[in-house]
Amino acid sequence: DAKTTQPTSMDCAEGRAANLPCNHSTISGNEYVYWYRQIHSQGPQYIIHGLKNNETNEMASLIITEDRKSSTLILPHATLRDTAVYYCIVRVSDNDMRFGAGTRLTVKP
Amino acid sequence: DAGVIQSPRHEVTEMGQEVTLRCKPISGHNSLFWYRQTMMRGLELLIYFNNNVPIDDSGMPEDRFSAKMPNASFSTLKIQPSEPRDSAVYFCASTPWEGLYTGELFFGEGSRLTVL
Repeated sequence: DAKTTQPTSMDCAEGRAANLPCNHSTISGNEYVYWYRQIHSQGPQYIIHGLKNNETNEMASLIITEDRKSSTLILPHATLRDTAVYYCIVRVSDNDMRFGAGTRLTVKP
Repeated sequence: DAGVIQSPRHEVTEMGQEVTLRCKPISGHNSLFWYRQTMMRGLELLIYFNNNVPIDDSGMPEDRFSAKMPNASFSTLKIQPSEPRDSAVYFCASTPWEGLYTGELFFGEGSRLTVL
């Protein structure tokens, strides 16, 4: 099963881009990369996912390296409300989503 | 639209008591997941259902835990007897069939359980 490695914590200035890295060097060819976030005391929230192409939605952009061994979640203009724990997940099977420790992002004014 | 609804939001009980947590998935979603979150172990997948059928319960800690999904709109997670180490936030999540492939899970607000 593919595993992910993320930094424990990161800081970002309000209004600046937040770039959250994730390593998944053992990812298989058909495994997707997912990002969720969890704001304190709330349930996790889906952000974005991708296979090998870069993806963008209203919340964030996902950049996946060509070898697929790592990816970066980009929040283009971080706000204080983006302070949360961000989880990078490589899905094990069709409906088995397992969360790691994640990165605690703190957006500072 | 109503999201995933969990009850109770908070439960305080004494060791040895039975605890029942409830979840109402989003209408039309046919996959349901139970997670447990603690500071020490993070977010753990306990069990998931597809079309009301348990698919994988390998994450259920022990026989004291049981989960049922009698119909598409209701699921329960029961702990009997409860122990202090069961104290955690329990999350329920649901997704439609296509969600199995998009990976977009919709989580409830969680049930915070404290066992004294």
